[in-house]
Amino acid sequence: DAGITQSPRHKVTETGTPVTLRCHQTENHRYMYWYRQDPGHGLRLIHYSYGVKDTDKGEVSDGYSVSRSKTEDFLLTLESATSSQTSVYFCAISGPGQGNTQQYFGPGTRLTVT
Amino acid sequence: AQRVTQPEKLLSVFKGAPVELKCNYSYSGSPELFWYVQYSRQRLQLLLRHISRESIKGFTADLNKGETSFHLKKPFAQEEDSAMYYCALRSSGGSNYKLTFGKGTLLTVNP
Repeated sequence: DAGITQSPRHKVTETGTPVTLRCHQTENHRYMYWYRQDPGHGLRLIHYSYGVKDTDKGEVSDGYSVSRSKTEDFLLTLESATSSQTSVYFCAISGPGQGNTQQYFGPGTRLTVT
Repeated sequence: AQRVTQPEKLLSVFKGAPVELKCNYSYSGSPELFWYVQYSRQRLQLLLRHISRESIKGFTADLNKGETSFHLKKPFAQEEDSAMYYCALRSSGGSNYKLTFGKGTLLTVNP
């Protein structure tokens, strides 16, 4: 497995509370991504980063924000969690260059919003 | 906009039978296609990519630009192939490394 960790791995939180998920990589890859995985929807991109302090929205970015202050860490924040954000969240990384378009995935974080 | 369609949510076969997981895409340019696999309680991992033209764990996939398809095939399914399979597309050119995923097909191989 590529050096990608996610924390926490499991979290239960209440509606309206803020939540931050962390993705940490040791591969020095430039690109980082946050996806959510839901039955019947597959994986959907929330936000991605193409460098330190460079981020952009994916297809389901409403209600989420991200930050990347250093290469190895990409944080996903739910400002005010809702039940519709109950999901499994995956972080992924990829490097630049023609041979590095593959994405490597973290182990996932299972988030339950009650 | 690019799109990936996996028409089967669920696919069930018997051990030793051939298996084909379908993937169709829509994209006006020249795409790069991938198959990712997720075994139970594990992270997603790359199974194969069309530019490599390789066979991994007995699986192959050929990009058919005329039919805009990238079906995954294996002649003799094994129980350990049971997993969720995702087809993904990356648009060509530039520094765009985003992937568009299909909704996935859950393959069950019965003994």
